Amino acid sequence: SQQGEEDPQALSIQEGENATMNCSYKTSINNLQWYRQNSGRGLVHLILIRSNEREKHSGRLRVTLDTSKKSSSLLITASRAADTASYFCAPTLIQGAQKLVFGQGTRLTINP
Amino acid sequence: DTGVSQNPRHKITKRGQNVTFRCDPISEHNRLYWYRQTLGQGPEFLTYFQNEAQLEKSRLLSDRFSAERPKGSFSTLEIQRTEQGDSAMYLCASSIRTGDLLATNEKLFFGSGTQLSVL
Repeated sequence: SQQGEEDPQALSIQEGENATMNCSYKTSINNLQWYRQNSGRGLVHLILIRSNEREKHSGRLRVTLDTSKKSSSLLITASRAADTASYFCAPTLIQGAQKLVFGQGTRLTINP
Repeated sequence: DTGVSQNPRHKITKRGQNVTFRCDPISEHNRLYWYRQTLGQGPEFLTYFQNEAQLEKSRLLSDRFSAERPKGSFSTLEIQRTEQGDSAMYLCASSIRTGDLLATNEKLFFGSGTQLSVL
C-alpha cells in the first residue's frame, strides 16, 4: 500500500505545548509530504522532505524522516489555536503510482 | 485569486438525480486530481489527468462517476443516478508535473471542495 498511516488518530494539547504526530509507510519512497486540513476546507501543503534528508524545518514545523524505520514525524512547536486541524502524510514512491494517497490523518486540537 | 477554484461549494440533490461539479486548476498546472472525502476519513483518490488525458481512475469507482478535462484546463466530475452513499466532500487538486518519469517532488494545491448531500 502506498499510503502513510498517521498516529495518533487524535491529539489534544494545551496552547503553547508542542505537538508531535507520526507517519509510517511500507515501501521505499522518493519523498514524503505533510499536509494540513482545516475543517471544511481543502488540504494545504506544509512541507516536503526528500529521502536523502533526515530533518527539515519550516517556521514552527520540524519534520524528521527515518527511511530505515520507514517513518516520519511532524513536530509543531509552541502550538496555537489556529493549528487545530487534521494533518496528513503522503509518501511518494520511487516508482509506480503517480498519485498521492492519504491515510486517515491525525486530528489535532489545541485547547486555549 | 489564482488558487484552485471549485464550484459549487455546496450541492444538495435528491437520490437518483445527476450532478456535475467543476474545478478550475491553477492556470499553468498540467495535472489535475479528484478526491472524495467523508467525515473523519482522509481523501480517497478518484482519478487524475495530465493535460487532457485521464491517466488513472480508481478501480473502486462506480461507473456512475465520470470526469473530463476537455482542453487540459478546467475539469468536470459528473455523478449519475446519485445515491445516499455518494454524500461526501469532493476535492480537486492541481500540480505541475515535469518530464521525469521517476517520482517527482510535485506538491498538490487543493481547492476548497464541493460538499455533496444526497437526500
